[in-house]
Amino acid sequence: DQQVKQNSPSLSVQEGRISILNCDYTNSMFDYFLWYKKYPAEGPTFLISISSIKDKNEDGRFTVFLNKSAKHLSLHIVPSQPGDSAVYFCAARREGGSEKLVFGKGTKLTVNP
Amino acid sequence: NAGVMQNPRHLVRRRGQEARLRCSPMKGHSHVYWYRQLPEEGLKFMVYLQKENIIDESGMPKERFSAEFPKEGPSILRIQQVVRGDSAAYFCASSRDRADQPQHFGDGTRLSIL
Repeated sequence: DQQVKQNSPSLSVQEGRISILNCDYTNSMFDYFLWYKKYPAEGPTFLISISSIKDKNEDGRFTVFLNKSAKHLSLHIVPSQPGDSAVYFCAARREGGSEKLVFGKGTKLTVNP
Repeated sequence: NAGVMQNPRHLVRRRGQEARLRCSPMKGHSHVYWYRQLPEEGLKFMVYLQKENIIDESGMPKERFSAEFPKEGPSILRIQQVVRGDSAAYFCASSRDRADQPQHFGDGTRLSIL
């Protein structure tokens, strides 16, 4: 059962435009959400996170939005740069859980110059 | 390099052999997590350890897989009698304490079974 879903396997965007990556979850016990970026042959690198008590968190070009009622979050990257091309994973942690993260399958972002 | 260190980066084993994967957490981190990534999939949690203790092993296969995090030295993920289906990328992450986020990941060990 896929508790964290990233329904778009890939996304292609022009340099300078906005990239929007989406993530849906099914478990209402999730209370903390993270986005990781991954290059080939490397480990995931933390990008940005959001607690369930907030609906927005911003860090430079990256903004994460959380809609708890819809069980949906999104990552906005603006402006997109070619170096942003990578696989982006959405992850969630369950309240009262053992701190393990539940990951989506990832979205491969390609930013074209 | 103060990051999470995993070795080896690549490991090739024949069916039936044993695989040992090592993970040294970031300096000051005493919590270690192991995840497995199959091709075209996300990372799947396997086990969460604190020094000398297994906290959560709900993602570990019941047989052939074990993990430890001794008082001294790296965390070890051990796979006995490997099969083709064990071929995957195995990632280790660490954190300072249970509530500390985010988890910081190593670059993984890519295990190939011949």
